[in-house]
Amino acid sequence: QSALTQPASVSGSPGQSITISCTGTSSDVGGYNYVSWYQQHPGKAPKLMIYEVSNRPSGVSNRFSGSKSGNTASLTISGLQAEDEADYYCSSYTSSSTYVVFGGGTKLTVL
Amino acid sequence: QVQLVQSGAEVKKPGASVKVSCKASGYTFTSYYMHWVRQAPGQGLEWMGIINPSGGSTSYAQKFQGRVTMTRDTSTSTVYMELSSLRSEDTAVYYCARDNGIAAAGTTPYWYFDLWGRGTLVTVSS
Repeated sequence: QSALTQPASVSGSPGQSITISCTGTSSDVGGYNYVSWYQQHPGKAPKLMIYEVSNRPSGVSNRFSGSKSGNTASLTISGLQAEDEADYYCSSYTSSSTYVVFGGGTKLTVL
Repeated sequence: QVQLVQSGAEVKKPGASVKVSCKASGYTFTSYYMHWVRQAPGQGLEWMGIINPSGGSTSYAQKFQGRVTMTRDTSTSTVYMELSSLRSEDTAVYYCARDNGIAAAGTTPYWYFDLWGRGTLVTVSS
């Protein structure tokens, strides 16, 4: 069981918007702005999409955005495209001896 | 070209140890913290630990304390992750991943991973 809770799957049609939630506690997501999101295509290494809750690295499409409210962080993808189909993981620093926790991952299907 | 190049796949027997390498290029090796993250087949990501390539200090996830050792060689810009007492549950792809935080005195990591290696598959099987 992962420390952060994500939906196992989400889906949407091309052009639509979807949101993936990531729920933790006040010891991780709610207590720090060290929340990040990663995209992983099958057989590939993860790719950083969002860091520090809502910042986008250079080169990442502005269709990707992040936010946080209380103990829940969210990743929103607008204008869905076929290439967005992938697994998405959230991550957070935690005050526990684990230091970093991940969500269990969400499989995004573009219909 | 900024990249992390990892060593090749390994097959180990239960009880053995494995040492995975990660060679950095295209940036100042000692300037950025490095993490190790693993992913079991069909499973999610799991953080293992972090090393400061500058001074060599490390912090490990409690789950791996006593079994994992992370080291670095500044002459070759390489970090290493050694995992001992291997069991079948350690079968996974092991990734090195760079922290965007500057590894200088008095600084802390940023706790996100902006550059990843391609991963090294470690299979533990009798």
